[in-house]
Amino acid sequence: EAQVTQNPRYLITVTGKKLTVTCSQNMNHEYMSWYRQDPGLGLRQIYYSMNVEVTDKGDVPEGYKVSRKEKRNFPLILESPSPNQTSLYFCASSPPGANQPQHFGDGTRLSIL
Amino acid sequence: AQKITQTQPGMFVQEKEAVTLDCTYDTSDQSYGLFWYKQPSSGEMIFLIYQGSYDEQNATEGRYSLNFQKARKSANLVISASQLGDSAMYFCAMREGWSNNAGNMLTFGGGTRLMVKP
Repeated sequence: EAQVTQNPRYLITVTGKKLTVTCSQNMNHEYMSWYRQDPGLGLRQIYYSMNVEVTDKGDVPEGYKVSRKEKRNFPLILESPSPNQTSLYFCASSPPGANQPQHFGDGTRLSIL
Repeated sequence: AQKITQTQPGMFVQEKEAVTLDCTYDTSDQSYGLFWYKQPSSGEMIFLIYQGSYDEQNATEGRYSLNFQKARKSANLVISASQLGDSAMYFCAMREGWSNNAGNMLTFGGGTRLMVKP
């Protein structure tokens, strides 16, 4: 089954404790992205990657890191999480091309206390 | 300025009636794509329909259709014969640029919560 898998689905942690949210896709897609969803703001892009070892900032990259060492994986790293990073996070992937819809994972709900 | 504006935070519709969800966008690109996604209460994002800026016909997918008015920069989603399962958040999104190297920027509106009444 074609899918984007995120882990964990839920996480409650404390300020400053490094965490990683993993994302893996099995569709051989070149493009992968991370978004955060906050009430009233829709989804905002954090980082994206056009292919292995190619990443770039989205609209809200501060406080986040990513890496793309393999085509299928695109982890999101919070080196020193803060409460304002409490949010619902989505990973997405797609083939290249502006007419290609993005396939989303089921989301990761992060609470930073 | 907002690139994608959804002016209806919440809407009600009677079951079996049609409903239109508004979306206006702002871009100076000639080539762009517009997408609608559905997010039920379970949280996943479900792709519904796509409209390309050069498409001459309005997109349709089953009960979903897009009322695309390029000059007015609007791409309203029409859901015909609403069902209880249509109750969800709906997001309009835009992808600008046409080349494969245009990056992966997808800009979302703030969403409209649709509630279908039995």
